[in-house]
Amino acid sequence: EAGVTQSPTHLIKTRGQQATLRCSPISGHTSVYWYQQALGLGLQFLLWYDEGEERNRGNFPPRFSGRQFPNYSSELNVNALELEDSALYLCASSRPGQTVSEQFFGPGTRLTVL
Amino acid sequence: AQSVTQPDIHITVSEGASLELRCNYSYGATPYLFWYVQSPGQGLQLLLKYFSGDTLVQGIKGFEAEFKRSQSSFNLRKPSVHWSDAAEYFCAVGADSWGKLQFGAGTQVVVTP
Repeated sequence: EAGVTQSPTHLIKTRGQQATLRCSPISGHTSVYWYQQALGLGLQFLLWYDEGEERNRGNFPPRFSGRQFPNYSSELNVNALELEDSALYLCASSRPGQTVSEQFFGPGTRLTVL
Repeated sequence: AQSVTQPDIHITVSEGASLELRCNYSYGATPYLFWYVQSPGQGLQLLLKYFSGDTLVQGIKGFEAEFKRSQSSFNLRKPSVHWSDAAEYFCAVGADSWGKLQFGAGTQVVVTP
């Protein structure tokens, strides 16, 4: 069984640009979660998508947005990039039908904003 | 507000020695508790989870954790550490309707020969 995959592995952007990060969940998983792991700030929850809908959102500005496609893959968009957006962005997925379930993480996308 | 505290930022342990990582949580109801491990440059791997039932939970790689409601703790233990256990360990709590996991700050484990 293939795990959660993320692309690209690394992404370098300049301040003010837009970044798009992609995530494919484990087959059969319908929920996708996004987390930011910035140096010194730990793992912060960004977004939760389930069955194509945004279910919960962390304490991030609106320029962080995303969507989930019919095949349950997901995209995270970060507009108007700022230097402090530099971080490892982790995607996770979980099985359907559970209010709380273990989350399986991908390897992450390292975003560097110059 | 819900929170997870890992009091130890950094722990150094000799190979073959035992390891215990502390985790304390603050949550109004019975939480769902997790321990994850992150090797350098990689994502998080689930070591074990507690949802209900037996308070001593066995996980992968020889790890176990004990849920103590009276102390709001979920400490992770391993009887004999291997060099490959050097990594960062995260305790997390989840709850109904959140979706998200609330993570502690992590504990960096260094294993010496």
